[in-house]
Amino acid sequence: GQSLEQPSEVTAVEGAIVQINCTYQTSGFYGLSWYQQHDGGAPTFLSYNALDGLEETGRFSSFLSRSDSYGYLLLQELQMKDSASYFCAVRDTTGGFKTIFGAGTRLFVKA
Amino acid sequence: SQTIHQWPATLVQPVGSPLSLECTVEGTSNPNLYWYRQAAGRGLQLLFYSVGIGQISSEVPQNLSASRPQDRQFILSSKKLLLSDSGFYLCAWKGQGSSYEQYFGPGTRLTVT
Repeated sequence: GQSLEQPSEVTAVEGAIVQINCTYQTSGFYGLSWYQQHDGGAPTFLSYNALDGLEETGRFSSFLSRSDSYGYLLLQELQMKDSASYFCAVRDTTGGFKTIFGAGTRLFVKA
Repeated sequence: SQTIHQWPATLVQPVGSPLSLECTVEGTSNPNLYWYRQAAGRGLQLLFYSVGIGQISSEVPQNLSASRPQDRQFILSSKKLLLSDSGFYLCAWKGQGSSYEQYFGPGTRLTVT
């Protein structure tokens, strides 16, 4: 089967940098995605890594190491509005129709 | 541009009552469609997915069912709700093929009393 592990909670201060890790177990691999979800809202797509390395999108970056089955989301210059849950996700390997989500990391940004 | 609609936004239903949640997608054709449930403070549990009209795959055995009567319409139903059916229900779509990004609807918050 496929599974993903990420920390349940992370706390950081405004203006700081925070890294949210994700390790995955899968028999095949199509890439690692990250989603953000604010309280009461729907998840929104942040980034996708299919190849090893760092992908940067503004204040957010995502990293992947396929050999380590590991990735992380890096948030820089944290703002209060970044307080949310962050999910890593992989596409399943039995046709690619499904996306398997991690349990999510709750990020608390303090002033 | 593509949009996804879900309704109702909130719903309070008594135990044993029926349920029908509807999701429609605009601006795309032949999407993969998904129903997820999320308990408070928890992750996303995939309930059903569909790769085409009339094609439904169930991920979790339960008292819920899904149907796809039209290409861009996905319905989640139950004949008799249980207390454990309470949660945040999210519909999502994804393009066919190698597409990886899922787009979520605004969700329905269901409380079974």
